[in-house]
Amino acid sequence: EAGVAQSPRYKIIEKRQSVAFWCNPISGHATLYWYQQILGQGPKLLIQFQNNGVVDDSQLPKDRFSAERLKGVDSTLKIQPAKLEDSAVYLCASGTETYEQYFGPGTRLTVT
Amino acid sequence: AQSVTQLDSQVPVFEEAPVELRCNYSSSVSVYLFWYVQYPNQGLQLLLKYLSGSTLVKGINGFEAEFNKSQTSFHLRKPSVHISDTAEYFCAVRLGSARQLTFGSGTQLTVLP
Repeated sequence: EAGVAQSPRYKIIEKRQSVAFWCNPISGHATLYWYQQILGQGPKLLIQFQNNGVVDDSQLPKDRFSAERLKGVDSTLKIQPAKLEDSAVYLCASGTETYEQYFGPGTRLTVT
Repeated sequence: AQSVTQLDSQVPVFEEAPVELRCNYSSSVSVYLFWYVQYPNQGLQLLLKYLSGSTLVKGINGFEAEFNKSQTSFHLRKPSVHISDTAEYFCAVRLGSARQLTFGSGTQLTVLP
């Protein structure tokens, strides 16, 4: 079974630029999550989708972050404009009804 | 609100020695508990989980954890570590029927030769 795919793996941008990350979950997983992991910290949930609907986006900085999951499969997370404090690893995970979450390799974003 | 505390940010241990990584949580309702491992430049991999039943949970790579409700703890143990166990370990908690995980800040386990 293929795992969660993410791209790109690394991205370097200047502050105030925009960036987008892509995630393809495990086939059949209805739930998709985006996490932000700042160096030295545990992952923090940004947004959770159930199929193509948003379940929880309470910790998403909506003035600059947006996410969508068209057709309930792939998802894109966008940052516009980026700030220095957005430097982090962005993890995508997909989940099942048995409460397990499967994580992708992440995208390491560096904002200079 | 739920929170997870990993008491040790770094744990160095010699190869073949036992190790315990500590995790405490705060919640007044039923919880589901998880340990994940993260190798450098990789995503998180599930080590083990407690959903219900036996309080001693066995996971992959020889790890196990014990759920202690009275002490609100879920410590991770391995009787004999290998160099390849060097990684960051995260404890996570999930409340009842919620699907959201709250992670601890992580413990860096370094196995020394």
